[in-house]
Amino acid sequence: KAGVTQTPRYLIKTRGQQVTLSCSPISGHRSVSWYQQTPGQGLQFLFEYFSETQRNKGNFPGRFSGRQFSNSRSEMNVSTLELGDSALYLCASSPPTGELFFGEGSRLTVL
Amino acid sequence: DAKTTQPNSMESNEEEPVHLPCNHSTISGTDYIHWYRQLPSQGPEYVIHGLTSNVNNRMASLAIAEDRKSSTLILHRATLRDAAVYYCILRVMDSNYQLIWGAGTKLIIKP
Repeated sequence: KAGVTQTPRYLIKTRGQQVTLSCSPISGHRSVSWYQQTPGQGLQFLFEYFSETQRNKGNFPGRFSGRQFSNSRSEMNVSTLELGDSALYLCASSPPTGELFFGEGSRLTVL
Repeated sequence: DAKTTQPNSMESNEEEPVHLPCNHSTISGTDYIHWYRQLPSQGPEYVIHGLTSNVNNRMASLAIAEDRKSSTLILHRATLRDAAVYYCILRVMDSNYQLIWGAGTKLIIKP
């Protein structure tokens, strides 16, 4: 069974630009959640989608948004990038039993 | 918010058992206790989870205190590949489903 796939793995953007990250969950998993990981703040929950609906949202500004498609694939978007948005963005998919299966992440650098 | 407390770091010798503690004094009755670990440059990996009873799987064992205010992850025979940051988190089972991540315990394995 293929794992969670995140693309791109690495990307560099400049302040003010926007970025879209993609996540393909494990086949059969309908829940997809996103996390931001930085050395200073650790792992922080961004949002969770289930059956194309945002089920929960963390404490991030509106510049961070996401969506989920009918095939459970998910995207997250960050607009008007700031230097502080440099981080590893992790996607995880979950079966109904609740375990999280993470991808390897997308490392974003904002210059 | 349901939170967990873990030691910042622990050291253990290779091929010896490791007991990683976690305190979660504000746990609610329906909160599951999850453990994940993260190796350098990788996304977190699911280890084990439980509700009330002790749990075992091929990776580890989870011992849950009777009052559920603490738990211990047990690696029965640590190897160098077990060196990672171990996260103990609570899955908050309500309408605002969310996982709160702490700083984790950095496990150092000495050969």
